[in-house]
Amino acid sequence: NAGVTQTPKFRVLKTGQSMTLLCAQDMNHEYMYWYRQDPGMGLRLIHYSVGEGTTAKGEVPDGYNVSRLKKQNFLLGLESAAPSQTSVYFCASSYSGTQETQYFGPGTRLLVL
Amino acid sequence: TQLLEQSPQFLSIQEGENLTVYCNSSSVFSSLQWYRQEPGEGPVLLVTVVTGGEVKKLKRLTFQFGDARKDSSLHITAAQTGDTGLYLCAGRTSGSARQLTFGSGTQLTVLP
Repeated sequence: NAGVTQTPKFRVLKTGQSMTLLCAQDMNHEYMYWYRQDPGMGLRLIHYSVGEGTTAKGEVPDGYNVSRLKKQNFLLGLESAAPSQTSVYFCASSYSGTQETQYFGPGTRLLVL
Repeated sequence: TQLLEQSPQFLSIQEGENLTVYCNSSSVFSSLQWYRQEPGEGPVLLVTVVTGGEVKKLKRLTFQFGDARKDSSLHITAAQTGDTGLYLCAGRTSGSARQLTFGSGTQLTVLP
C-alpha cells in the first residue's frame, strides 16, 4: 500500500496562474482533507470531503476549490494563485470523521511569485 | 486567534533530559490527538485521548488530557536524538466533530 500520495512535490507559480494538486489514497477511506501549513500556524483545514461527490469548506477555503469525483482522489485547485498561497499543502484521509487517525501525504511545497 | 496554543514554540535540549510540551485552549474538546512531523513529511499520529484526566503512555512518552478537556501535555523522559521533530496537538470540538483543529506546534531538537 502506498498510503496517501500527493502530486506534485514542488511547484513554482506566477501570480495569476492556475494549478491543481492531486491527492490519492489506496486505503478505501471515506474522508479526505486538504490542509495548508505555514510557519508558526500549524495546519489549517482548507476543504474536506466526507465521501465521493461531496465537499465542504474548512477554516480557510477562500481562493481554493476542490473536487472528489472518485473515492480515492481529492483534487485541490487554485484558479488564480496569489503570493499569500505560498505554503506547504498536505492531504490526509481517514476511515471516518470522528476520533479516527488521519493519514497524511508527504506534502506539496508551493511557491507563488 | 489560535484555538489551540502550544508552548513552548521551540525547545532545544540535550539527549537524556526530560521535557514537557503543553497544549492549551479555552474550548472544550471531545478528543485530542498528538502528532509528530519530521522534515519533508506529513504528521504521524502518536496518540488519541478522549476522557478528561486520561493518561496514556507510549514508551518514553506520556500524554495527559486535562480534567476539563481543555488542555493536554506531552512529557518525554530521557529524550533521544530520534525524538527530534515538530509536535502538534489537534482537537475536535463537539460542534465540529468532523474537523481537527491543530495547534501551532512545538519544534523539538534533541542534541547528542
